[in-house]
Amino acid sequence: DTAVSQTPKYLVTQMGNDKSIKCEQNLGHDTMYWYKQDSKKFLKIMFSYNNKELIINETVPNRFSPKSPDKAHLNLHINSLELGDSAVYFCASSQGRLSRSYNEQFFGPGTRLTVL
Amino acid sequence: GQNIDQPTEMTATEGAIVQINCTYQTSGFNGLFWYQQHAGEAPTFLSYNVLDGLEEKGRFSSFLSRSKGYSYLLLKELQMKDSASYLCAVRDNYGQNFVFGPGTRLSVLP
Repeated sequence: DTAVSQTPKYLVTQMGNDKSIKCEQNLGHDTMYWYKQDSKKFLKIMFSYNNKELIINETVPNRFSPKSPDKAHLNLHINSLELGDSAVYFCASSQGRLSRSYNEQFFGPGTRLTVL
Repeated sequence: GQNIDQPTEMTATEGAIVQINCTYQTSGFNGLFWYQQHAGEAPTFLSYNVLDGLEEKGRFSSFLSRSKGYSYLLLKELQMKDSASYLCAVRDNYGQNFVFGPGTRLSVLP
């Protein structure tokens, strides 16, 4: 009964490829997020998605695109992968928007992406 | 812009008390969060402050001073399992930006 799950756990791929990471939450939350944690362990928000409202961190390249088939899923598509995309990607969810006064986010286990 | 600063590493002894500081400079402020992250695992929520003062939650307490742009996380009766990174995060005025600090890696020694 995992709250937030991600697949795959590890992803090794060549530069230039297109890949997707899937995320599902069974908490009934209405907001989902994608984060990137680089080798220096900085955790940076990439997207938040609430009821079809997508908020994008302006520093995220447009090669990254979130896709939400329904409230429980938020997948991350990455086109034309680059070496600098190597990182751990975390999905998270919360009840209510990011702006809500109390916003506890539940994180998935992470996907370690390695671009060769 | 937003800038959040934390000590990189700290070491403490089992059973002791440790205080992890976080200072921030942000264009707006609407809440400060502390997360714990064990190596190779996902962050987990510890505490939330939006008003000045101390919030206590068992062995963990978090303090906020908005005028000073300062927070700390206090861990009491340290246990070996508390060895982890502790991440401070700030949400901006509009709640559309959520910025994590670099994290403090805490090592608890026997």
